[in-house]
Amino acid sequence: AQKITQTQPGMFVQEKEAVTLDCTYDTSDPSYGLFWYKQPSSGEMIFLIYQGSYDQQNATEGRYSLNFQKARKSANLVISASQLGDSAMYFCAMMSPGANSKLTFGKGITLSVRP
Amino acid sequence: NAGVMQNPRHLVRRRGQEARLRCSPMKGHSHVYWYRQLPEEGLKFMVYLQKENIIDESGMPKERFSAEFPKEGPSILRIQQVVRGDSAAYFCASSPRVGSGRHTIYFGEGSWLTVV
Repeated sequence: AQKITQTQPGMFVQEKEAVTLDCTYDTSDPSYGLFWYKQPSSGEMIFLIYQGSYDQQNATEGRYSLNFQKARKSANLVISASQLGDSAMYFCAMMSPGANSKLTFGKGITLSVRP
Repeated sequence: NAGVMQNPRHLVRRRGQEARLRCSPMKGHSHVYWYRQLPEEGLKFMVYLQKENIIDESGMPKERFSAEFPKEGPSILRIQQVVRGDSAAYFCASSPRVGSGRHTIYFGEGSWLTVV
């Protein structure tokens, strides 16, 4: 069975600073994908970044980067130069292609950006 | 992700009524997933469908819940005889294919069901 763990309490960051949101996972599948989604107060789920288990390099998408440490089974999201609009819930999720590609989500982390 | 269309966005039902939630996947996507988000929780998988087929319904409650994805028209998640515990956000997601580690799943904006 797959499991995603997000245990940080509500996170706070000063505008323009960087912040790291933690995610650890557990799976016995050799091939898997890791996702991060943002859920603002309006409720929609916004895809941020994807990391494949066999990718050689850490994924980056603009101000988002993923610190992927396979041996530690962690996939932390780093947001650089935080903006007020980054205040939201952030969810880490895992998918195994063999499991019909359904996603397993963590419970999420609340990020608040202070001006 | 605006391409996945869900409606209604908000739905209020009295206990015992039926709720129908609709999802039109992105153009070219034939794989549809439904997820439920309870308050203060992450999303939980409910069901995975392709056109006219239920592929995986391991996350669906055994009673009162059903889903379909007909040959024509949107996917429907149907909840019969709703109870207060059904109050949640229901998200639909679509994907162009499965089995590839690089594809991305796109979510709709969600349907918020409130049972009073």
